[in-house]
Amino acid sequence: EDKVVQSPLSLVVHEGDTVTLNCSYEVTNFRSLLWYKQEKKAPTFLFMLTSSGIEKKSGRLSSILDKKELFSILNITATQTGDSAIYLCAVYSDMRFGAGTRLTVKP
Amino acid sequence: DGGITQSPKYLFRKEGQNVTLSCEQNLNHDAMYWYRQDPGQGLRLIYYSQIVNDFQKGDIAEGYSVSREKKESFPLTVTSAQKNPTAFYLCASSLDRAPSQPQHFGDGTRLSIL
Repeated sequence: EDKVVQSPLSLVVHEGDTVTLNCSYEVTNFRSLLWYKQEKKAPTFLFMLTSSGIEKKSGRLSSILDKKELFSILNITATQTGDSAIYLCAVYSDMRFGAGTRLTVKP
Repeated sequence: DGGITQSPKYLFRKEGQNVTLSCEQNLNHDAMYWYRQDPGQGLRLIYYSQIVNDFQKGDIAEGYSVSREKKESFPLTVTSAQKNPTAFYLCASSLDRAPSQPQHFGDGTRLSIL
């Protein structure tokens, strides 16, 4: 059965810290991996990754995919309280989501 | 302003009652999706539609029904057969169902049992 596992499930840090969120997957017919940020309601799209080893970057956020080891990481540097959210990883073979990582950034 | 509108934001269901959640998009997207989100379980796919008048079951379709009579609209009915309907329901759309297209989400409907 296809599965997407995110870790940790919950994380509390202080402003300025750097965090790394993990997403591992076992799916048939992998096509792409997506990261979303969900603050209160609608998840918003962050990154889509299809190729191994190519870092995607947007401001303080970056992500990379390893298709050999079947995982992706999402890095957030110099965290701010506005980064507090649930971060969702989704793998497109049949759009399967992980359980999410709840990040809390304290001032 | 383009986007996805879900209504209502909150909904209460009585025993034995069917309820319908609305999802409308003005993004001119072909594909639309319904997800259910429970605490600690991420999003699970209920139904999806790639084109008008066509839809497919997702992982947890039992107790739910959908229709896609118009491109802009993809309502979800939670039937009385769904014994544990309390959850947060998210509707999404994408340009098409290709793996290169990210999904855009609505703000969700929170359904509770009375």
